[in-house]
Amino acid sequence: GAGVSQSPSNKVTEKGKDVELRCDPISGHTALYWYRQRLGQGLEFLIYFQGNSAPDKSGLPSDRFSAERTGESVSTLTIQRTQQEDSAVYLCASSRHREDEQFFGPGTRLTVL
Amino acid sequence: AQTVTQSQPEMSVQEAETVTLSCTYDTSESDYYLFWYKQPPSRQMILVIRQEAYKQQNATENRFSVNFQKAAKSFSLKISDSQLGDAAMYFCAYKYGGATNKLIFGTGTLLAVQP
Repeated sequence: GAGVSQSPSNKVTEKGKDVELRCDPISGHTALYWYRQRLGQGLEFLIYFQGNSAPDKSGLPSDRFSAERTGESVSTLTIQRTQQEDSAVYLCASSRHREDEQFFGPGTRLTVL
Repeated sequence: AQTVTQSQPEMSVQEAETVTLSCTYDTSESDYYLFWYKQPPSRQMILVIRQEAYKQQNATENRFSVNFQKAAKSFSLKISDSQLGDAAMYFCAYKYGGATNKLIFGTGTLLAVQP
């Protein structure tokens, strides 16, 4: 079956604009994760969804970041009033259950000018 | 807090040779998982190998094997018979069961394979 997909692949925006990043997990996967990867760095955890609830939002860096998930399907990560330090690759991963292997999408490269 | 450290920003190996990538971690938990992920330029994270902390036997997947030293909190990756396709960024990651199962990553090692 299809893997995790993310859109857009690349996004360039101006400082102060809002952006939405989309993740389509593997069908049937109940757990969904968002990670951020800054240039030359490892991945940083942002938020975890179990179904459509988010029991762990501890990695969201500020209140400009929010995310939602529709059922056990698509998730959207929204960044309001983007700043240059938000420039990074945003990766999504899903797993059948939270204790299972996480499968990653190809990421969205966000550039804030 | 759990942390993962990769002290080798870059490594290079000749094709067909063996290379070892280092990783250390810090945790107070006794039950956890360790992983090595490969990230080629396509950005796709690919699971290379995993190790459960309760298992004493080192994990092996074809040309990839680990040296897991629980007491030393060390988890190195050995790649044997290196191939050009092994060139990528390699990340060590830790996962504690807990309520989230989030992955905690090191900063990565960029592996170059010389023909």
